[in-house]
Amino acid sequence: RKEVEQDPGPFNVPEGATVAFNCTYSNSASQSFFWYRQDCRKEPKLLMSVYSSGNEDGRFTAQLNRASQYISLLIRDSKLSDSATYLCVVTPNTNAGKSTFGDGTTLTVKP
Amino acid sequence: ETGVTQTPRHLVMGMTNKKSLKCEQHLGHNAMYWYKQSAKKPLELMFVYSLEERVENNSVPSRFSPECPNSSHLFLHLHTLQPEDSALYLCASSPRTSGTYNEQFFGPGTRLTVL
Repeated sequence: RKEVEQDPGPFNVPEGATVAFNCTYSNSASQSFFWYRQDCRKEPKLLMSVYSSGNEDGRFTAQLNRASQYISLLIRDSKLSDSATYLCVVTPNTNAGKSTFGDGTTLTVKP
Repeated sequence: ETGVTQTPRHLVMGMTNKKSLKCEQHLGHNAMYWYKQSAKKPLELMFVYSLEERVENNSVPSRFSPECPNSSHLFLHLHTLQPEDSALYLCASSPRTSGTYNEQFFGPGTRLTVL
């Protein structure tokens, strides 16, 4: 079993749709969680950190469920510019060098 | 801008060449990382440096040799590479290597092709 598993995708949605991605992790000692987005042939860019209480940034909402060991990302009112690969990242508190990146979920938003 | 720069952005080299990739971070971070990303594959961590000391080496072949002369600069020296080493090489930095919410910031990467 992979340490971090994401929805395989791809997700193809129309503009304005709401889409949700899930990510499960196997290490119960994990302490920090992030969502990154990666555009084609570009570097990953931090989208948002995921806090225990859940957090929202505009159209994006991230949630953490420690009991079930998963995090989620919800995108509301999808824009064409949201098309990208979304990476889930899980880090043990003691060693950021051990961050584990998921394989990514690809989202395509169509007109 | 991420504050992490990498040069060159593109590199084509033969299997007998020796080349170096350079990374510089302008964020005042203490940790730097090298990752490899092959086509349609997830990121693979290669090396981690904390305050210029290597703290992680993920079983990377010796034909890849990292160097961290100070906390702002990181190099990856390449020699006698194989075609399967062709990939996007990404450098990242973070404030430290431990603690919560230690976000990593990536450079634009060097796209390497080995002929």
